Amino acid sequence: GAGVSQTPSNKVTEKGKYVELRCDPISGHTALYWYRQSLGQGPEFLIYFQGTGAADDSGLPNDRFFAVRPEGSVSTLKIQRTERGDSAVYLCASSAGLESDTQYFGPGTRLTVL
Amino acid sequence: EDKVVQSPLSLVVHEGDTVTLNCSYEVTNFRSLLWYKQEKKAPTFLFMLTSSGIEKKSGRLSSILDKKELSSILNITATQTGDSAIYLCAVVRMEYGNKLVFGAGTILRVKS
Repeated sequence: GAGVSQTPSNKVTEKGKYVELRCDPISGHTALYWYRQSLGQGPEFLIYFQGTGAADDSGLPNDRFFAVRPEGSVSTLKIQRTERGDSAVYLCASSAGLESDTQYFGPGTRLTVL
Repeated sequence: EDKVVQSPLSLVVHEGDTVTLNCSYEVTNFRSLLWYKQEKKAPTFLFMLTSSGIEKKSGRLSSILDKKELSSILNITATQTGDSAIYLCAVVRMEYGNKLVFGAGTILRVKS
């Protein structure tokens, strides 16, 4: 079946602009995660959804970052007033639920803020 | 603070060599350890380990967890150029949400 998909694959924007990154998880997966990966580092947790609700948003760096999952499937990560330091690869992952530790990742969105 | 450390940071080997990648962790309420292979952008799942001393194997790759030493190794035998990638280790804690705590990864390059 289809894996996790993310769009766009690349996004270049200017400092101060607003961006939206989309994630479509594996069908039937109730848990959805966003991570951010900077060059030379492992992915860092941002936010986790179980169903429609954000169950843990402790990894969001500040209030410019926000994510939604209104129907419990597709999720959108929103970044306001982008800064150059936001440049990174944003990865989305999904899993079957709380009893499953294995997360399956999408191809990521490379965000570049000029 | 939770910590996952991988070593070496990078290595270069020749085709046919055997490599061993290391992962050590310091986390509260350990639940499981996962290995991923990352080529380009998407990490691809390799193994999940929960019990100490039980080897997981898939083709030329194998992995084992040592809970006493708080560590895991990933072995790749008869390496091929297609094994060139970043290998990521991640730990799951026993808490709601199962978020992954990653190490920085090991960059493996296999030369032909």
